[in-house]
Amino acid sequence: DAKTTQPPSMDCAEGRAANLPCNHSTISGNEYVYWYRQIHSQGPQYIIHGLKNNETNEMASLIITEDRKSSTLILPHATLRDTAVYYCIVSRRLMDSNYQLIWGAGTKLIIKP
Amino acid sequence: SQTIHQWPATLVQPVGSPLSLECTVEGTSNPNLYWYRQAAGRGLQLLFYSVGIGQISSEVPQNLSASRPQDRQFILSSKKLLLSDSGFYLCAWSAGGSEAFFGQGTRLTVV
Repeated sequence: DAKTTQPPSMDCAEGRAANLPCNHSTISGNEYVYWYRQIHSQGPQYIIHGLKNNETNEMASLIITEDRKSSTLILPHATLRDTAVYYCIVSRRLMDSNYQLIWGAGTKLIIKP
Repeated sequence: SQTIHQWPATLVQPVGSPLSLECTVEGTSNPNLYWYRQAAGRGLQLLFYSVGIGQISSEVPQNLSASRPQDRQFILSSKKLLLSDSGFYLCAWSAGGSEAFFGQGTRLTVV
């Protein structure tokens, strides 16, 4: 079962910041939050991940609340190419120190001109 | 740089026929390899993962099997396909706990 809750869909105007929320109230102390996106009929693309602190890279920023029960992915200047399904995922530790990503249904983000 | 190849892109197979999907990775050694399945409008479900040659872990019981005959080759198989095996199959690799990199997927339709 997915360990995250996301809105099924969101709209955002081109050029504006897109803020995608995610609830993960049952996250454990050693579990990371990952964000991926999937453009229709393609393989998912990694965006960013974090544990406790806020993170930023060339694609996005990740804001994690202090209690770690929720997070927000921010795309600072959305373009039409950012239209995709965005997945918020928590990791689960497997054998051999490997990690499994528990995938939910994601948020379909539509960027409008 | 690392690349992942997955083929075929689309496949239509009759019920009861065998299946073999192949995935290869270039530019890295000893990757962790994964097979996922995605139903329409849903997230990804992990089917198998492998941390080394010949080492396969299955996450869900099913009609499928996986093998890793070489370090950078991961194969998904079935002896007899069922209608319920239809879906979008994705291969991925990672270097331990870091992010995963996905292939372009195979859309399998069992008729």
